[in-house]
Amino acid sequence: GENVEQHPSTLSVQEGDSAVIKCTYSDSASNYFPWYKQELGKRPQLIIDIRSNVGEKKDQRIAVTLNKTAKHFSLHITETQPEDSAVYFCAATPSGAGSYQLTFGKGTKLSVIP
Amino acid sequence: ETGVTQTPRHLVMGMTNKKSLKCEQHLGHNAMYWYKQSAKKPLELMFVYSLEERVENNSVPSRFSPECPNSSHLFLHLHTLQPEDSALYLCASSQDGRARSPLHFGNGTRLTVT
Repeated sequence: GENVEQHPSTLSVQEGDSAVIKCTYSDSASNYFPWYKQELGKRPQLIIDIRSNVGEKKDQRIAVTLNKTAKHFSLHITETQPEDSAVYFCAATPSGAGSYQLTFGKGTKLSVIP
Repeated sequence: ETGVTQTPRHLVMGMTNKKSLKCEQHLGHNAMYWYKQSAKKPLELMFVYSLEERVENNSVPSRFSPECPNSSHLFLHLHTLQPEDSALYLCASSQDGRARSPLHFGNGTRLTVT
């Protein structure tokens, strides 16, 4: 099955700096890669996703890049703010139109220092 | 209000107790999920229901028993649990059961098995 590795496990940045979180996946047929944000004591929420027919997607200060050859994708947050502090999870789907599985990484705890 | 409500928020139970977790979604979605979230581990998919039919069961021990009476309600019945079952149990829903359909999570039930 699919295996998703996420790094780093913790990340501290100064407010205003950029943050980058990287994930690698094992199944070359995976074609959907969402990112979820979970603030302390709250539910995970989808913040951005990318499909394998594009290499990059942006939404304001958040961007995701995908390198299918290397089987890795990354989350980029620019101009970080204290409210960006949370745990971020990457995920990937294995192949198959009927697949219901979404394999998650272990998460990255991002701390933005004011 | 995200549209996915879980009760109770916290539950402490002994190893010989029987309890149930409840999830309700008001989003008109056709699929519902149970995930287990433990510290320093990826989100683990337990069960998936699509149109009230169980379509995924990830080798979960029989002490966890799901029930989906309709597309808006999902239960997780618990009996004779072990201390290692202590975790945050998250319910989620999506438009359909495919992994590429964004998940909407509830706030979770924090379960402690004593």
